[in-house]
Amino acid sequence: GAVVSQHPSRVICKSGTSVKIECRSLDFQATTMFWYRQFPKQSLMLMATSNEGSKATYEQGVEKDKFLINHASLTLSTLTVTSAHPEDSSFYICSARSWASQPQHFGDGTRLSIL
Amino acid sequence: DAKTTQPPSMDCAEGRAANLPCNHSTISGNEYVYWYRQIHSQGPQYIIHGLKNNETNEMASLIITEDRKSSTLILPHATLRDTAVYYCIVRAPGAGKSTFGDGTTLTVKP
Repeated sequence: GAVVSQHPSRVICKSGTSVKIECRSLDFQATTMFWYRQFPKQSLMLMATSNEGSKATYEQGVEKDKFLINHASLTLSTLTVTSAHPEDSSFYICSARSWASQPQHFGDGTRLSIL
Repeated sequence: DAKTTQPPSMDCAEGRAANLPCNHSTISGNEYVYWYRQIHSQGPQYIIHGLKNNETNEMASLIITEDRKSSTLILPHATLRDTAVYYCIVRAPGAGKSTFGDGTTLTVKP
């Protein structure tokens, strides 16, 4: 149980393109979803936290107008990287949690490469 | 959330138990201890969590000291596939987010 599906797994696109990444909880209802970014040989950096039906809470230094997060249902959250540039190239990982004391379950990540 | 301290790296022989320590000396009474691991180029995987008592599941055992200031994750019979970065996180139920530190890179050697 507790499966989180994230896709696409890899995206390569041109600079200036907007890219949408989907995160789905397949067998549980996710009241909270998280988006992380990970650069090579570094730990996960939390970008934002979203609760179903509410606006996402962004971490300091993360541009909310560039990284649009939607959590419209208890099983789906999306991250849209708008007007992506090469510096946005990274490994993006989502996670989902059902209740506050429960652990997070993670997707397999999306490797984004902006040319 | 309480800060955690983990050794940056550890080695373990295949088939032996791997004992990964985590220090969380500033943990609060309602904060849980969670362990995750990340195999190269994959999303993290949940392993186990606990509050006060020791816990065991099919993957690992979690030993939490009586004063709760430290814990140990035990992989009873490590295999090469257990090579990964292991993260220890403490978090209260009401806290929204989990912050990842640098973790421990466990290398299981044949």
